[in-house]
Amino acid sequence: SAVISQKPSRDICQRGTSLTIQCQVDSQVTMMFWYRQQPGQSLTLIATANQGSEATYESGFVIDKFPISRPNLTFSTLTVSNMSPEDSSIYLCSGRVGDTEAFFGQGTRLTVV
Amino acid sequence: KQEVTQIPAALSVPEGENLVLNCSFTDSAIYNLQWFRQDPGKGLTSLLLIQSSQREQTSGRLNASLDKSSGRSTLYIAASQPGDSATYLCAVTDGGSNYKLTFGKGTLLTVNP
Repeated sequence: SAVISQKPSRDICQRGTSLTIQCQVDSQVTMMFWYRQQPGQSLTLIATANQGSEATYESGFVIDKFPISRPNLTFSTLTVSNMSPEDSSIYLCSGRVGDTEAFFGQGTRLTVV
Repeated sequence: KQEVTQIPAALSVPEGENLVLNCSFTDSAIYNLQWFRQDPGKGLTSLLLIQSSQREQTSGRLNASLDKSSGRSTLYIAASQPGDSATYLCAVTDGGSNYKLTFGKGTLLTVNP
């Protein structure tokens, strides 16, 4: 399967600041997704990153807080804006082609202090 | 709304034992089901993907089964090893969902030497 390079792998940020996470896939994928994993919890979908257009957000997530870009079929970014301690989580990007195997980046462990 | 449940939440076994992890889902209209492994603080590693038309998939010491009509899947691990210690996550792709994954909360497996 394809490989996703995600960075940074971890960061400690001050409240009120923003962090941008990048994901680069080594081959073209039709779908890219961003998930959040809060401490001790499973993964929750934030949004589907759409190439060249606005992302599709899940209930409870908004563009102002989590702006997403996807300029081409292999790259996407997620920004966590105006961070608070409640945003401390692991953020993961995922790619897939249709209903084939989904694969994930190594995750970004974010701590907001 | 699809809900995925994994039982047990945690499992501790001695090395060498065979074990079974369970996953159930409420809506049987799925494209496929995927099992993942997650090491602490890390991303997800795909283990097995079972399409809705398939009954099982095997990879090395792992065997996953799918009973779509009853909404159940099992992951069988043979001859467990300490290196198998991790959280195992089950996720389904709903039909018509734009290929998004819905995750269970996972089973934390500890294999003791």
